[in-house]
Amino acid sequence: DTEVTQTPKHLVMGMTNKKSLKCEQHMGHRAMYWYKQKAKKPPELMFVYSYEKLSINESVPSRFSPECPNSSLLNLHLHALQPEDSALYLCASSQDRGQQYQPQHFGDGTRLSIL
Amino acid sequence: EDKVVQSPLSLVVHEGDTVTLNCSYEVTNFRSLLWYKQEKKAPTFLFMLTSSGIEKKSGRLSSILDKKELSSILNITATQTGDSAIYLCAVEMYNFNKFYFGSGTKLNVKP
Repeated sequence: DTEVTQTPKHLVMGMTNKKSLKCEQHMGHRAMYWYKQKAKKPPELMFVYSYEKLSINESVPSRFSPECPNSSLLNLHLHALQPEDSALYLCASSQDRGQQYQPQHFGDGTRLSIL
Repeated sequence: EDKVVQSPLSLVVHEGDTVTLNCSYEVTNFRSLLWYKQEKKAPTFLFMLTSSGIEKKSGRLSSILDKKELSSILNITATQTGDSAIYLCAVEMYNFNKFYFGSGTKLNVKP
């Protein structure tokens, strides 16, 4: 088990559905990340939140909508996804970048399948 | 364009062998380089390297950064079947919470 908790672990949804992925950490980290990982590929950065504000959006389609309600929670709202969006979605967190070097900690991911 | 390149892409060895995995990078505002091990789920953190020439060790694993050559190596000695995984290298950019991952090296350790 990791210190970053993601729910659900698996999600199957149709292209017209609306669902949300959730991520939670209680390590006091102030940066949180969403990554998308396709099979046999490395994680690709999607979004970065720093102090609950969106700091990086890597040109992600608007059908993915991130939200950071507080410093411990990160959501990814999904709507009208396409079959090619099927992937493992990883959440990660890290300490404030202005302080000592700290690595990212990853959750176990949500495996998303779009029918 | 920022990039992180790992080699080899895949590697098959036998238990007891020593392996060396490579990571080279070209990024603006380099801050740190990280190594992760990924089996079936989340990448698990191995090392974070920020200073050139200082080796970090954890059991049979060790890693070193060469900022002049813009590269890092990850060594695994006396490999075991449990070392079979994808090893990911990531580079962090300074002043950004941004990490670029390499494509990974898939290591298969046979009994």
